[in-house]
Amino acid sequence: DAKTTQPNSMESNEEEPVHLPCNHSTISGTDYIHWYRQLPSQGPEYVIHGLTSNVNNRMASLAIAEDRKSSTLILHRATLRDAAVYYCILRRSGGSNYKLTFGKGTLLTVNP
Amino acid sequence: GAGVSQTPSNKVTEKGKYVELRCDPISGHTALYWYRQSLGQGPEFLIYFQGTGAADDSGLPNDRFFAVRPEGSVSTLKIQRTERGDSAVYLCASSLIGTSRQGNEQFFGPGTRLTVL
Repeated sequence: DAKTTQPNSMESNEEEPVHLPCNHSTISGTDYIHWYRQLPSQGPEYVIHGLTSNVNNRMASLAIAEDRKSSTLILHRATLRDAAVYYCILRRSGGSNYKLTFGKGTLLTVNP
Repeated sequence: GAGVSQTPSNKVTEKGKYVELRCDPISGHTALYWYRQSLGQGPEFLIYFQGTGAADDSGLPNDRFFAVRPEGSVSTLKIQRTERGDSAVYLCASSLIGTSRQGNEQFFGPGTRLTVL
């Protein structure tokens, strides 16, 4: 399975945008890019996913590089509630993609 | 609606004892997963159920670990002869179906924190 690389930690101020990077240089053409986050003392929750085009939903935006070797999760206005570990995960189309393979993720700290 | 629930939320046991951890998935979700999360690490896959059957148990660390889902809903993770190294948060997740083109969104419970003394 292709690997992802994320910074261990990032810091942001409340109400400012946050850009969380993820490198996946060995991504294959059929890999979808998924993001989950885990708030303190909770299970992970789905944030967003995409294949090639940029994606927006109520939680965040996902910007995918043209060569697909990297992506960026964008929180437009960080709140204290966004403080969490963010995981970037590749999921191959079909096959055994039921399994989520988590790395260590990026710990986001949001300062008031 | 109700999310995934797990009981107990905390379990403290002694080395060598047997434990059972329970997961109630979201109603109607046919796929159920167990993951284990050690301190400072991301969750690690243990087992995947599609309906009543374990479609993939490749993540179970050894034969002390076993999981069932007899009626295709509630699942129980069973650990025999617990060891200190089994201490972790055990997470359960469910999804509408298992495999799809894009990968289905998994809904996680809050986890059971297991401590083996």
